[in-house]
Amino acid sequence: NAGVTQTPKFRVLKTGQSMTLLCAQDMNHEYMYWYRQDPGMGLRLIHYSVGEGTTAKGEVPDGYNVSRLKKQNFLLGLESAAPSQTSVYFCASSYWQPRKQETQYFGPGTRLLVL
Amino acid sequence: DAKTTQPPSMDCAEGRAANLPCNHSTISGNEYVYWYRQIHSQGPQYIIHGLKNNETNEMASLIITEDRKSSTLILPHATLRDTAVYYCIVPPPNQGGKLIFGQGTELSVKP
Repeated sequence: NAGVTQTPKFRVLKTGQSMTLLCAQDMNHEYMYWYRQDPGMGLRLIHYSVGEGTTAKGEVPDGYNVSRLKKQNFLLGLESAAPSQTSVYFCASSYWQPRKQETQYFGPGTRLLVL
Repeated sequence: DAKTTQPPSMDCAEGRAANLPCNHSTISGNEYVYWYRQIHSQGPQYIIHGLKNNETNEMASLIITEDRKSSTLILPHATLRDTAVYYCIVPPPNQGGKLIFGQGTELSVKP
């Protein structure tokens, strides 16, 4: 049982390049989330998904797109990376029931540097 | 959404109890209090949650005041591995599990 895994662990991009971050969970969770964390700050929600084929915007969605084609995977895409997107990205997952939604399991993070 | 206020940092001696306070004076009747922690460079980890009764699990205890305007997370015997940022969160109910992380309290456990 690996829990929540994220790929890659670290990436360097040039401004304007694109990339996709992959999140996978093996707990059969319905809900999945993408957060970003800037230095010295708390986490901020980018996008989330309440089920396969559905996504919704979080607090800071601009510049990102997401897809949830399979229940166990949640992809975060950057179409044209900007230095402001330099951050640590965390994926999380949870069950759908009330109180279980807020009990989230987090991955180890992806460190992204945009030059 | 209930806003939370936490001290930015605290120290605790190894083996002693760590008591981390949180104010949430605008909390509404059906909102729960959740605690997470984040050890350096790792993803956040769920600790405990509660509504109005005191709660205890294998990691910590949560004490919520009778008026529910504040709470305290207690780590009964802090170890060096408990050094982390602790977040007190009051998520809006029925909002798809959205968590709003503030600055948290940076707890340093010292030998």
